[in-house]
Amino acid sequence: EDQVTQSPEALRLQEGESSSLNCSYTVSGLRGLFWYRQDPGKGPEFLFTLYSAGEEKEKERLKATLTKKESFLHITAPKPEDSATYLCAVQAAGGYQKVTFGIGTKLQVIP
Amino acid sequence: EAQVTQNPRYLITVTGKKLTVTCSQNMNHEYMSWYRQDPGLGLRQIYYSMNVEVTDKGDVPEGYKVSRKEKRNFPLILESPSPNQTSLYFCASSRTSGRSPYEQYFGPGTRLTVT
Repeated sequence: EDQVTQSPEALRLQEGESSSLNCSYTVSGLRGLFWYRQDPGKGPEFLFTLYSAGEEKEKERLKATLTKKESFLHITAPKPEDSATYLCAVQAAGGYQKVTFGIGTKLQVIP
Repeated sequence: EAQVTQNPRYLITVTGKKLTVTCSQNMNHEYMSWYRQDPGLGLRQIYYSMNVEVTDKGDVPEGYKVSRKEKRNFPLILESPSPNQTSLYFCASSRTSGRSPYEQYFGPGTRLTVT
């Protein structure tokens, strides 16, 4: 059974204080790992897809990396508008269509 | 505008009264899926569909039904709702490569309360 564990569950940062969110996964062959952002009361919004170990993707203050067992979402010099819940999800290889999400990390950036 | 729409956005109902939550997408996506989101449990997949007339169970399908008669629509049916189905529901869609979906686009959510 595919499993996704995210840590920490909650993170409070001062504006400008860089940090990383972790996503550990267990899957029988990874087809893709996805990062989403979710604002309160809204649907998740896609950020990144990573397909293979060593791959990195960047968008503004966010950078996602992937190893064979985990992914990190690095947040550089965060701003209050980066406050949200960040979700990680995995999809197994082999033509398998089910997607498994982690519980998420709730990030609060304080001015 | 490319979007996934869900209706209703909020629903309060009573145990046993059949209900349908509609989902529609205008992106011509093959893959559509339903999730429920509960505190401490995260997003859990209920059902997904790779194309018209092709559906499959996710992790928590009990008590739910779906159908995919048209590519753009993927309704979620609760034939006899119970209080443990009180949750926030999201519909999502995605383009596909071969038999696998890419990133998903989510609807705004439907908050369901069953009393």
